Amino acid sequence: DAKTTQPNSMESNEEEPVHLPCNHSTISGTDYIHWYRQLPSQGPEYVIHGLTSNVNNRMASLAIAEDRKSSTLILHRATLRDAAVYYCILLLSGGYNKLIFGAGTRLAVHP
Amino acid sequence: NAGVTQTPKFRILKIGQSMTLQCTQDMNHNYMYWYRQDPGMGLKLIYYSVGAGITDKGEVPNGYNVSRSTTEDFPLRLELAAPSQTSVYFCASSYTQGHREFGEGSWLTVV
Repeated sequence: DAKTTQPNSMESNEEEPVHLPCNHSTISGTDYIHWYRQLPSQGPEYVIHGLTSNVNNRMASLAIAEDRKSSTLILHRATLRDAAVYYCILLLSGGYNKLIFGAGTRLAVHP
Repeated sequence: NAGVTQTPKFRILKIGQSMTLQCTQDMNHNYMYWYRQDPGMGLKLIYYSVGAGITDKGEVPNGYNVSRSTTEDFPLRLELAAPSQTSVYFCASSYTQGHREFGEGSWLTVV
């Protein structure tokens, strides 16, 4: 199964942009890249997903490398509420059951 | 919108006892999932269902059972509780292979 690699932790200051990297060098051509985040003592929350093109929504932007071997979740202006664990996950083609969560990146946001 | 509702939120079980974690969603999602999350770890898929009457095993199904008699409900049954089942349990739902909506979690301790 294709896996993702993320830094264990990152730090940011409030109102600064945050770039959260994810490597997925064994990604298959039809695997979607999903990002979820989990605030303390809460269930995971969907953030964004994409296949090949960069994606934007109200929460974040997703930049996908041309070879699709890596991606970056961009929070344009971090707030204290963005402090969470961010998971980069590959939704394997044909595998509705295979949303495999890794350890994620713990993001700390400083005032 | 209620979204995905899990009950109970907290429960302490004695070794060997049984219990059912309830999960209900009001979004008419066809897919539903149960995950567990141990401290400091990512989520692991226990069971999933692609529609009423259809269930299948995930990564860690041993010690659990599920049923899906309606689109809305997906209860998780723990038989003969063991300390290894101490964890936080999350129910989720989605349309086909869309992003998951998660419940707030059920904290279970087996002593």
